[in-house]
Amino acid sequence: GQQVMQIPQYQHVQEGEDFTTYCNSSTTLSNIQWYKQRPGGHPVFLIQLVKSGEVKKQKRLTFQFGEAKKNSSLHITATQTTDVGTYFCAGRGNTGKLIFGQGTTLQVKP
Amino acid sequence: DVKVTQSSRYLVKRTGEKVFLECVQDMDHENMFWYRQDPGLGLRLIYFSYDVKMKEKGDIPEGYSVSREKKERFSLILESASTNQTSMYLCASRGDRVPPYNEQFFGPGTRLTVL
Repeated sequence: GQQVMQIPQYQHVQEGEDFTTYCNSSTTLSNIQWYKQRPGGHPVFLIQLVKSGEVKKQKRLTFQFGEAKKNSSLHITATQTTDVGTYFCAGRGNTGKLIFGQGTTLQVKP
Repeated sequence: DVKVTQSSRYLVKRTGEKVFLECVQDMDHENMFWYRQDPGLGLRLIYFSYDVKMKEKGDIPEGYSVSREKKERFSLILESASTNQTSMYLCASRGDRVPPYNEQFFGPGTRLTVL
């Protein structure tokens, strides 16, 4: 079945360093979404990418969707302690169901 | 603001008990979902519903059932709880008529412990 793999599982950075998490699907996706879950909280929608090669920015966050629509990345520039949490990608394939990656947990040392 | 609420934040049950987890959304969303979240496994879909009285199996439905008698309410039922069902359970809803159409709104989660 369709799988979405996300790496790394954990990342510890010093405040001010950059951070990237990667998502890879076994099949072509119709769209991909990103969610953030703060410690003790629930996932909150960040963004959706639909087009091949699409790049979207939200302040220090940059989201990319691969040309083949099988991979995606989230890059955070100059991390802050408020960026702490787990970031999930979720891809929608030909079944229409949203498949979540395993998540990347980001720790930021002040 | 969309509100998705779940009946309990924490629940402790014994093996073999029947467990009901309730989820209510207030935005007239057509679609509702139940996930379980386990470390290293992300969110896995248990069941979902596209309409009242309609249900579809997700990726891990074994040991679970659901009920959707009203549009705003989606219940997850563990017929006979087992220790391997100890997990965080997240409910989500999604509308079909309001952009961006695909965004899922999650409830706060229920941390279930089965002893």
